[in-house]
Amino acid sequence: GAVVSQHPSRVICKSGTSVKIECRSLDFQATTMFWYRQFPKQSLMLMATSNEGSKATYEQGVEKDKFLINHASLTLSTLTVTSAHPEDSSFYICSASSAGETYEQYFGPGTRLTVT
Amino acid sequence: QKEVEQDPGPLSVPEGAIVSLNCTYSNSAFQYFMWYRQYSRKGPELLMYTYSSGNKEDGRFTAQVDKSSKYISLFIRDSQPSDSATYLCAMDSGFQKLVFGTGTRLLVSP
Repeated sequence: GAVVSQHPSRVICKSGTSVKIECRSLDFQATTMFWYRQFPKQSLMLMATSNEGSKATYEQGVEKDKFLINHASLTLSTLTVTSAHPEDSSFYICSASSAGETYEQYFGPGTRLTVT
Repeated sequence: QKEVEQDPGPLSVPEGAIVSLNCTYSNSAFQYFMWYRQYSRKGPELLMYTYSSGNKEDGRFTAQVDKSSKYISLFIRDSQPSDSATYLCAMDSGFQKLVFGTGTRLLVSP
């Protein structure tokens, strides 16, 4: 199956700083990438959807100025958590799909963010 | 009411047992139904998907969808300790916006 990587796998940062998480599709061109957040013992919650070269579409309640998403190429999307606070600590997971596949999203291994 | 309901478990079974995992949902617009397996601190891995109602079998896994009851199931035959993971159901109305259940933690003991 298709492979999606994320970097870093875990990061600890201080409150008020910004953190960038990368999501790469390694063996296919990802026309659409998704960013999810997962709190302990809770389901994955979609934060935003991004298509290559377009602005991301954010879900209700997700602050677009806080969670900056860039999808500049068909293999790379980045999520930047700006001015991070302890309540932003979570497991962030990206997924990617290619054109024509309406159901199959390939997930990355996730990034554990801890804000101190 | 959540759009997708899933018992968080844990569900503990002995090796070789048949496992039944279930989700109910409220949104009749869902057309695509998926089951993902997630190991601790890893991303979800797609196991099965079904479009609309019906059954689908793949090896030891069988997925069932009953749209009239808004109920989906995943059966695992001859369960193995390596099947121990969290199983997430997910649904999509066709716009690639997956709605996930909370996941059921499965423990298969040797």
